[in-house]
Amino acid sequence: NAGVTQTPKFRVLKTGQSMTLLCAQDMNHEYMYWYRQDPGMGLRLIHYSVGEGTTAKGEVPDGYNVSRLKKQNFLLGLESAAPSQTSVYFCASSPSGGLRQFFGPGTRLTVL
Amino acid sequence: QQQVKQSPQSLIVQKGGISIINCAYENTAFDYFPWYQQFPGKGPALLIAIRPDVSEKKEGRFTISFNKSAKQFSLHIMDSQPGDSATYFCAAPRDGANNLFFGTGTRLTVIP
Repeated sequence: NAGVTQTPKFRVLKTGQSMTLLCAQDMNHEYMYWYRQDPGMGLRLIHYSVGEGTTAKGEVPDGYNVSRLKKQNFLLGLESAAPSQTSVYFCASSPSGGLRQFFGPGTRLTVL
Repeated sequence: QQQVKQSPQSLIVQKGGISIINCAYENTAFDYFPWYQQFPGKGPALLIAIRPDVSEKKEGRFTISFNKSAKQFSLHIMDSQPGDSATYFCAAPRDGANNLFFGTGTRLTVIP
């Protein structure tokens, strides 16, 4: 089992460009999450999903959109990237309930 | 909004010493308090967790102590080793049990 995988690993964008980060999990988990990690800020929840076809906002959802069309995939979109979105993005998944989460390796995004 | 306050931000310990990281939480609808460990360039991974039907949980050199009346819990790493050098995050449930609120992290460095 690959666990949680994230694509791409690194990306550099210019301000105003758009992109989609892909998260995939092969553990048949119901719950999936997108976090951003910034120095001194810990892990902040952007959006999450409690099942296929569902999404919900987390702490810092502005500027991001998500979709969960398939149970194993959770997409994070940036429609118009801003320098403030420079961060490391982590995806996580969890079986029923969000108390034990399995994280992916992260995507380092730089917005110039 | 549920918050988790973690301290210290960074910690340097001599090999063989005890590392102590503290967290305080406000309110939670569900009692479950995990600690995650993150090595550089990797995603966080669950290290140890406690459900407060007990005041302490030990797994090897890692111990969680919980004080419900003070709304505090702490991670103790006994006989700290250079391989323990990582960032540690405490967490508490939010939105019922659908996801976690993470602390800001403690960067632990164990000096040989």
